[in-house]
Amino acid sequence: GIQVEQSPPDLILQEGANSTLRCNFSDSVNNLQWFHQNPWGQLINLFYIPSGTKQNGRLSATTVATERYSLLYISSSQTTDSGVYFCAVEHGFGNEKLTFGTGTRLTIIP
Amino acid sequence: DVKVTQSSRYLVKRTGEKVFLECVQDMDHENMFWYRQDPGLGLRLIYFSYDVKMKEKGDIPEGYSVSREKKERFSLILESASTNQTSMYLCASSLYRVNSGEQFFGPGTRLTVL
Repeated sequence: GIQVEQSPPDLILQEGANSTLRCNFSDSVNNLQWFHQNPWGQLINLFYIPSGTKQNGRLSATTVATERYSLLYISSSQTTDSGVYFCAVEHGFGNEKLTFGTGTRLTIIP
Repeated sequence: DVKVTQSSRYLVKRTGEKVFLECVQDMDHENMFWYRQDPGLGLRLIYFSYDVKMKEKGDIPEGYSVSREKKERFSLILESASTNQTSMYLCASSLYRVNSGEQFFGPGTRLTVL
């Protein structure tokens, strides 16, 4: 099956700092999503980005499908950005499940 | 906005009990999914359904069954709960049968089996 790796596994930053989270995947994908899991466990959709670049406020994402990676940028971090960020991909035909990476745990210190 | 709801946020059951987890989506999505999330193992697919009364096994279907009698509702059933089924259960839905588009998740159910 497809492998999805995220780096770094853990990241601790001061409030106001910028960060870049990376997602590498081992095969072509139909779909790539970034999620933020809040402290209560809910997965919040950040981006649906199989290719290209998108921005939403302080967050932006880029997927380079030909090179099999995606990046999530968080600028001017706030304490509410803390949590686990997951990259997930949909791969193959007739296989609509998402395969998740192991996540990056982000901690923003005031 | 897409809304996916789950019947309980927290559930405590005893070993051997039959457990029903309910999921409802309000956007006429074709696909619905059940995942479980465990520390160190990440999120893993249990079952999914692409139409009413249709189901497909995911990566870890053992010990579970599902039911989809109506398009908007997808139920996960633990026929005889065991302690190794203590976990966070997440339901999701997506619009299309193939190349399904964005998946949206419910708030999750934390199940403890004693």
